[in-house]
Amino acid sequence: DAKTTQPNSMESNEEEPVHLPCNHSTISGTDYIHWYRQLPSQGPEYVIHGLTSNVNNRMASLAIAEDRKSSTLILHRATLRDAAVYYCILRVTGNTPLVFGKGTRLSVIA
Amino acid sequence: GAGVSQTPSNKVTEKGKYVELRCDPISGHTALYWYRQSLGQGPEFLIYFQGTGAADDSGLPNDRFFAVRPEGSVSTLKIQRTERGDSAVYLCASSGTGTGRMNTEAFFGQGTRLTVV
Repeated sequence: DAKTTQPNSMESNEEEPVHLPCNHSTISGTDYIHWYRQLPSQGPEYVIHGLTSNVNNRMASLAIAEDRKSSTLILHRATLRDAAVYYCILRVTGNTPLVFGKGTRLSVIA
Repeated sequence: GAGVSQTPSNKVTEKGKYVELRCDPISGHTALYWYRQSLGQGPEFLIYFQGTGAADDSGLPNDRFFAVRPEGSVSTLKIQRTERGDSAVYLCASSGTGTGRMNTEAFFGQGTRLTVV
């Protein structure tokens, strides 16, 4: 699987937007970009995924660079509940296993 | 149930003992995954089932680890001759079957915390 690079940690103030970056310079044409997050003492949960176009859902937005070598997960208004480790994962089509890196630990300050 | 269920939630065992960890996936999900997670690390892939068969077991660290899914639903991860290094949170996930280019969301359980003393 192609690898991703994320900052180890980030900090945000409550109710402000957060932009979590991910680099994936060796991405292939069939790789989807997935984001999962893991709240303390929980299993990971799906956030969003995309292929080429930007994506929006109720949790977040995903902005994908035109060359697909990087992407950004956007939380529009961070809340204390958004404090978690965020994982950016490349996954080929189908049900191939997700391969997790270390992710970005997001802290949200009240 | 509504989500992926893992039992027990906590397991303490002595070094050298045998343990079984159970995963009940979401009903109808054909794909099932096992991961383990050490403190401060991301989940590490162990094995992936599609139906009853192991489609990919390349993540199993050695032959002390084995997993089954005999009826294509519940799965059991079995660890023989446990070692202190096996202590970790063991996570299970399930997903439906994506067709064509559709990628299917994976749903994770809360995990089983295994402590080998």
